Amino acid sequence: GAGVSQSPSNKVTEKGKDVELRCDPISGHTALYWYRQRLGQGLEFLIYFQGNSAPDKSGLPSDRFSAERTGESVSTLTIQRTQQEDSAVYLCASNAANEQFFGPGTRLTVL
Amino acid sequence: RKEVEQDPGPFNVPEGATVAFNCTYSNSASQSFFWYRQDCRKEPKLLMSVYSSGNEDGRFTAQLNRASQYISLLIRDSKLSDSATYLCAVNRGSARQLTFGSGTQLTVLP
Repeated sequence: GAGVSQSPSNKVTEKGKDVELRCDPISGHTALYWYRQRLGQGLEFLIYFQGNSAPDKSGLPSDRFSAERTGESVSTLTIQRTQQEDSAVYLCASNAANEQFFGPGTRLTVL
Repeated sequence: RKEVEQDPGPFNVPEGATVAFNCTYSNSASQSFFWYRQDCRKEPKLLMSVYSSGNEDGRFTAQLNRASQYISLLIRDSKLSDSATYLCAVNRGSARQLTFGSGTQLTVLP
């Protein structure tokens, strides 16, 4: 009965390094989303996976950002050559019907 | 114009007050509407869906106005525990993908 889980919960990295964030959706949920939330801001859509369809990458802010998902399981969000403006909480959500269930997020700090 | 817009607040209200938030959306093809609650440094959680006929859940009432393209959330008899950020979410046309507003911050004061 686990919800959406994300790891790591916190990540501190140096500018220029690559980071990989992981999301384990709720089992059976076909749709998976990644969002970014900067401090005091709303949710910024990044990417959406639906089953085996081509992902909607329209929210990725630059080519430094990429994400993968194998089938209906784990997803990883990769940020290459991190910049200070990448510092934010990265939230993953999954759903099977209309409700999105969010994971606790990964708080990324780029020094 | 943003797809979904909310008044960021903050709304500071005394305990027991009634407070209402509005959220406007630009895509007239949107079919699904939601209110989420986000506590400080926590993930958003679904508060309630918004149905065409309006719906009520205890002290919370959600309304949809398709003609003017907005949804509203009314909180009656507000409690200290209602203090949070309230996010509206609207689907993108026929897709299940949601677009979130930037949230309205509510603080209920003793």
